[in-house]
Amino acid sequence: DIHLIQSPSFLSASVGDRVTITCRASQGITSYLAWYQQKPGKAPKLLIYGASTLQSGVPSRFSGSGSGTEFTLTINSLQPEDFATYYCQQLNGFPFTFGPGTKVDIK
Amino acid sequence: QLQMQESGPGLVKPSETVSLTCTISGGSIISSSHYWGWIRQPPGRELEWIATVYHDGGSYYNPSLKTRVTISVDTSKNQFSLTLTSVTAADTAVYYCARDGRFQASDGYLDAFDVWGQGTMVTVSS
Repeated sequence: DIHLIQSPSFLSASVGDRVTITCRASQGITSYLAWYQQKPGKAPKLLIYGASTLQSGVPSRFSGSGSGTEFTLTINSLQPEDFATYYCQQLNGFPFTFGPGTKVDIK
Repeated sequence: QLQMQESGPGLVKPSETVSLTCTISGGSIISSSHYWGWIRQPPGRELEWIATVYHDGGSYYNPSLKTRVTISVDTSKNQFSLTLTSVTAADTAVYYCARDGRFQASDGYLDAFDVWGQGTMVTVSS
């Protein structure tokens, strides 16, 4: 299985901050990576697929980059509604796997 | 707009079998563009992909669960289902059904789960 490591596990930030989350894969997955946002008690929401393509309806302050084994999710100008947990997922092949998550909390 | 809704028993005894159903509305499960999957999340823990199915019944399983899991499709009801046998406390989780959007790319498809159900909690306890 392909293992994903996210860093940091937790970060504290303020409204307006620029936030960067990293996801590293145990082997190359080209661009088969998605990012999700999950709020407590809710289903995950797709933000980014194909490592860098913004899902329809997702604000442009979210962006993704990377390929191979290292990927980044960036949130420019953090908004109050962005405080949540973020997961990366590799879809290079079965079994699909998720990272352990990064919780973004209010400073 | 496509919506997905999970249904299940809520509470299951250890060693028993749990069956979950995902009902799709606002769209058809018979879509050449999409696959359909189950993902679970134990309380306070990360997400785990369980299985994916195509409308013709073609399926893919997480090897960690493959011996206990069956995913199936009922096109007449616009539903797909998950059966998990010999459950233990470790199977306690919120179970989500989701659509694999299979976004078209220049050299194939990019998978990602773009529509999710609200989730159904399954608790394994005697």
